[in-house]
Amino acid sequence: QVHLQESGPGLLKPSETLSLTCTVSGYSIGSGFQWGWIRQSPGKGLEYVGSIYHSGSPYYSPALNSRLSISVDTSKNQLSLKLTSVTAADTAVYYCVRKDTVVSPVEIWGQGALVTVSS
Amino acid sequence: EIVMVQSPATLSVSPGERATLSCRASQSLRSTVAWYQQKPGQAPKLLIYAVSSRATGVPARFSGSGSGTEFTLTIDSLQSQDFAVYYCQQYNNWPLTFGGGTKVEFK
Repeated sequence: QVHLQESGPGLLKPSETLSLTCTVSGYSIGSGFQWGWIRQSPGKGLEYVGSIYHSGSPYYSPALNSRLSISVDTSKNQLSLKLTSVTAADTAVYYCVRKDTVVSPVEIWGQGALVTVSS
Repeated sequence: EIVMVQSPATLSVSPGERATLSCRASQSLRSTVAWYQQKPGQAPKLLIYAVSSRATGVPARFSGSGSGTEFTLTIDSLQSQDFAVYYCQQYNNWPLTFGGGTKVEFK
């Protein structure tokens, strides 16, 4: 059974960089599928952040493209997210997800990690 | 970006009744609409994909329909565990987008 577990700092100050890691168990991340991030905030609901195939280029939300980096570490079986220059608008629960392709529904979700941006 | 609008925002239903949730897309979609259920403190769970296909393990009382820009999730004979928030999603175009959600609450 595939399990996704997010981890990272829960509290950031404005202008800092948000770094989250998703550790995948039950499946080798290098064997296939799209791996990505979705966030959920009270103000904007569910928002697709971006995703990546283990050996391909990432797909980023146009709204976050200039601040976002998503990568895969197949040796650690982990997915990473980095979002620079955060503001209060980036406060959200961040979910790690797995999908078949870039344009497919989300089959597997992690439990989510709450990130709060506050001075 | 394709905008998904769900209605109503809140639906009050009694157990055993039918719930009908709507989702409208800002442009015509192929069969690339999914529905998710989210309960408090949990991640969303895939219920329906490709407009009308139930995900593995989803009870038959959940059904999806629609085409073009209008889509519907129907829950027949609502059970206590069905009270939750439901989201539609389009995966026709990048970026994938979600509706704002419909909360199904106890009447």
